[in-house]
Amino acid sequence: NAGVMQNPRHLVRRRGQEARLRCSPMKGHSHVYWYRQLPEEGLKFMVYLQKENIIDESGMPKERFSAEFPKEGPSILRIQQVVRGDSAAYFCASSPPSGGYGYTFGSGTRLTVV
Amino acid sequence: EDKVVQSPLSLVVHEGDTVTLNCSYEVTNFRSLLWYKQEKKAPTFLFMLTSSGIEKKSGRLSSILDKKELFSILNITATQTGDSAVYLCAVALSGTYKYIFGTGTRLKVLA
Repeated sequence: NAGVMQNPRHLVRRRGQEARLRCSPMKGHSHVYWYRQLPEEGLKFMVYLQKENIIDESGMPKERFSAEFPKEGPSILRIQQVVRGDSAAYFCASSPPSGGYGYTFGSGTRLTVV
Repeated sequence: EDKVVQSPLSLVVHEGDTVTLNCSYEVTNFRSLLWYKQEKKAPTFLFMLTSSGIEKKSGRLSSILDKKELFSILNITATQTGDSAVYLCAVALSGTYKYIFGTGTRLKVLA
């Protein structure tokens, strides 16, 4: 059981480029969550997805950010036209349908915008 | 606005010391409170607390929840250098799978 897999671990983008962050949930988990951690701040909820459905995107910025969890393949968090303020650690977590005993987190993707 | 506040923000102790980390919360629909340990990578799950007054234990770590006073504590006894990490407290809201996280307590244990 490989756990929650995120890639890449580190991503450097120039301002205006696109960033794509990928997350494969744990085997048997059908719920995926994305959180963002800014320096010296707590994890902030962004979006909650199930296969082919966005359940709650109340934490997503209105522009430039989108997320998907297709029927096949990993969940993708996409940031278009990145700006310096998007530099952060982006964590994905997954849980079984019941919600279970807490999320299982991936190791995160650290995005640096230069 | 839902919020979770942790204290202290950081703490430096020596091996063998006992530490108490605090987490208070103000949320509209409380479901459970969780503690995570974050080293340089993925936060790892420690405890989930749902009921007041029932202590959860795992080795040298223990935690308890007070739903009347809206706080939880995480105790670590006989600390070791491997306990150095950021400890995160989160509240799960009912009716949603969203968690509200505190900013964490950074613990450093010196040999």
